[in-house]
Amino acid sequence: DAGVIQSPRHEVTEMGQEVTLRCKPISGHNSLFWYRQTMMRGLELLIYFNNNVPIDDSGMPEDRFSAKMPNASFSTLKIQPSEPRDSAVYFCASTPSFGAGAIQALHFGNGTRLTVT
Amino acid sequence: AQSVTQLGSHVSVSEGALVLLRCNYSSSVPPYLFWYVQYPNQGLQLLLKYTSAATLVKGINGFEAEFKKSETSFHLTKPSAHMSDAAEYFCAVKGGAQKLVFGQGTRLTINP
Repeated sequence: DAGVIQSPRHEVTEMGQEVTLRCKPISGHNSLFWYRQTMMRGLELLIYFNNNVPIDDSGMPEDRFSAKMPNASFSTLKIQPSEPRDSAVYFCASTPSFGAGAIQALHFGNGTRLTVT
Repeated sequence: AQSVTQLGSHVSVSEGALVLLRCNYSSSVPPYLFWYVQYPNQGLQLLLKYTSAATLVKGINGFEAEFKKSETSFHLTKPSAHMSDAAEYFCAVKGGAQKLVFGQGTRLTINP
């Protein structure tokens, strides 16, 4: 089991540029989550998918952020245009199932450290 | 709605001493509770989880946590700290179909 795979590990970009973060969940996991981690705000849930369908995107900070999951093995988080305040570590996590009664743990990737200058 | 409060953003103990990291939760439904650990430049890893089967939960690396409903607490303990335990620890709560909510984290430092 390769675990959750995120790419790139580090991304440095200039303000105004488009940024795309990628995630491959663990095979067989039906739910996928995108989190953002900063010193000031801690871990924030941005969006999560169940069976490739977005369930809750209330954590997406603004319209500059978008996420897709075209199939069960791939998801992207896009920021367009990027701003310095988007600098953070972005984590992807997956779990076999999520919902009432589901108690499986989240499996996290190693994150993408984004720096916007 | 669910929430967790971790008391103390930084905890420092000597090697071999007891580790106690505090977590209090708030939940309108019977909660599921988790402790995760994060090492530098890595994602979070599950230490242990409470699923209502037993109030004392044993996890990896010698950690355990006790669910106390009367105190709405789920504190993490380890009898004897090791240098490799230095990391950031997160408590999290999930209630029913609602999303997992993480605490702000506690950074554990181990002094030789």
